[in-house]
Amino acid sequence: EAGVTQFPSHSVIEKGQTVTLRCDPISGHDNLYWYRRVMGKEIKFLLHFVKESKQDESGMPNNRFLAERTGGTYSTLKVQPAELEDSGVYFCASSQLAGVGETQYFGPGTRLLVL
Amino acid sequence: AQSVTQLGSHVSVSEGALVLLRCNYSSSVPPYLFWYVQYPNQGLQLLLKYTSAATLVKGINGFEAEFKKSETSFHLTKPSAHMSDAAEYFCAVSEKGRRALTFGSGTRLQVQP
Repeated sequence: EAGVTQFPSHSVIEKGQTVTLRCDPISGHDNLYWYRRVMGKEIKFLLHFVKESKQDESGMPNNRFLAERTGGTYSTLKVQPAELEDSGVYFCASSQLAGVGETQYFGPGTRLLVL
Repeated sequence: AQSVTQLGSHVSVSEGALVLLRCNYSSSVPPYLFWYVQYPNQGLQLLLKYTSAATLVKGINGFEAEFKKSETSFHLTKPSAHMSDAAEYFCAVSEKGRRALTFGSGTRLQVQP
């Protein structure tokens, strides 16, 4: 069974440009999460989808970030326009719609550098 | 809001020595607790998790962690370190009723030959 995949693995863009990150969860996983790790800091939650619906957006930093999950399969996270402080590693995770203490399976991350 | 503290951003041990990575959380209500490991160029992999069952939790690769409510701790241990254990380790919690994970800042484990 394939794990969580993310594309691209690395992205280098200039301030003001737009970048779109993609996440393909494990097949059959209804829950999809986005997290971010800014250099030197802890991994922080961004948002949570259940199927195509946003369940929790409390971690989204500002309106420059837009996440979508059309059809409840893969998800995209768009940053527009990118700022220097957006640099970091963006992780996607997925889980089945299960009970408490669910296990979230993480992808390898997308390393974003904004110059 | 929940917070997780991992003491020591870098820990170095000799091969065969005890591994002890510390994690403390802030909550009056015991949350769900997790340890994840990240090997170079890979995603986070679950080592073990505590979900209100036994306080001593055994995980993969010989790791275990003990939930101590009185100390609000969930330290990760392994009796004998292997070179392959070199990685970054993350402690995380989720509050009951919420799915989002709150992570500590990570501890990078180095194993010396």
